Amino acid sequence: DGGITQSPKYLFRKEGQNVTLSCEQNLNHDAMYWYRQDPGQGLRLIYYSQIVNDFQKGDIAEGYSVSREKKESFPLTVTSAQKNPTAFYLCASSIDQVETQYFGPGTRLLVL
Amino acid sequence: GENVEQHPSTLSVQEGDSAVIKCTYSDSASNYFPWYKQELGKGPQLIIDIRSNVGEKKDQRIAVTLNKTAKHFSLHITETQPEDSAVYFCAAHFNYQLIWGAGTKLIIKP
Repeated sequence: DGGITQSPKYLFRKEGQNVTLSCEQNLNHDAMYWYRQDPGQGLRLIYYSQIVNDFQKGDIAEGYSVSREKKESFPLTVTSAQKNPTAFYLCASSIDQVETQYFGPGTRLLVL
Repeated sequence: GENVEQHPSTLSVQEGDSAVIKCTYSDSASNYFPWYKQELGKGPQLIIDIRSNVGEKKDQRIAVTLNKTAKHFSLHITETQPEDSAVYFCAAHFNYQLIWGAGTKLIIKP
């Protein structure tokens, strides 16, 4: 069953803590993306990766970090430098950067 | 850079009627325009897309039209049903990224 999985579904962060959101795809897609969605808002691009071991900042990269060591995986770390991390985080992938993006189910991050 | 505006922000229609959502884009270099449907608490799902070499595309009750000269594209949903209630996003592909509209909340009244 092909697709994109994100875990966990809900994540709680304490002040000053780094947390990592998982994104895995078995679609053999080269490109992967992380978006942030605030309540009632559209999608804002955090980071994207066109290929393994390469990634670029999106519009709101401050306070976030990523890695792309494997084609299937693109984890996002929300660092303590991100002062307002409460949001819905969406991971997406596409065959390449000119084709359709397919989304995972999302992770909701809440601050304790 | 590219900018995408989407209207209306909320649209309420009677079940069985048609719904139209409109988007405009600013950069004529954009060549791919997908539409996504997002249900509450879920990730967006692609429902239809169109490329700049085509003026219209239809898939059952859903259609998208593109006017390259005016730089706008629209989503048309006919014979609306309760399961069409969701937030709909348009996007334009530009410079290896998707630029997103702010979304339209579609409410289907019984």
